[in-house]
Amino acid sequence: GAVVSQHPSWVICKSGTSVKIECRSLDFQATTMFWYRQFPKQSLMLMATSNEGSKATYEQGVEKDKFLINHASLTLSTLTVTSAHPEDSSFYICSASFGKVPGGGADTQYFGPGTRLTVL
Amino acid sequence: AQKITQTQPGMFVQEKEAVTLDCTYDTSDPSYGLFWYKQPSSGEMIFLIYQGSYDQQNATEGRYSLNFQKARKSANLVISASQLGDSAMYFCAMRAPRGGYQKVTFGTGTKLQVIP
Repeated sequence: GAVVSQHPSWVICKSGTSVKIECRSLDFQATTMFWYRQFPKQSLMLMATSNEGSKATYEQGVEKDKFLINHASLTLSTLTVTSAHPEDSSFYICSASFGKVPGGGADTQYFGPGTRLTVL
Repeated sequence: AQKITQTQPGMFVQEKEAVTLDCTYDTSDPSYGLFWYKQPSSGEMIFLIYQGSYDQQNATEGRYSLNFQKARKSANLVISASQLGDSAMYFCAMRAPRGGYQKVTFGTGTKLQVIP
């Protein structure tokens, strides 16, 4: 259980174009979805948190108008990189979480396989 | 501020031996969760184990166990009977409330290599 898919797994695009990445929770309803960015050999950097039906909460330094996030349903969130530039080339990973863990702790995030974006 | 520290950029372990990956954290919130994820070269993040701040016992999942020492703010991952397939990057993460929602902070990771 708790499977998250991402599409596409990789994409190459020209500078100036927009790219949409889909994140789906396949066997559960995700209350919250997260988008991360990972540079080679570095840790994950949280870009934004989104709840179904509400606007995404962006981390400091992440451009809202450049990285558009739409959480259309409890199983689908999309990240659109608008007017992509070579510096946007990176590995983008989404994750989804559902419910709370007994005992009051935070709930677990399940990650998609990631999307490798290369902007020429 | 939330902070996760992994001080071991790389580790080697002999196959079938046990290995401990270190993780320390810092948060002022009493309610938080600690996670370990494995990232193979394929890039996917695989959830391994979870420890809640109020959990009385250390979490275990098969060959993985989390050595949770709350007073020291450490959450080390112990992998017993290492296998070649365990070679990967391992990330420690903490989730704690911030501004009405949960935020996850990841450590910088430890690259584990299992030697045959």
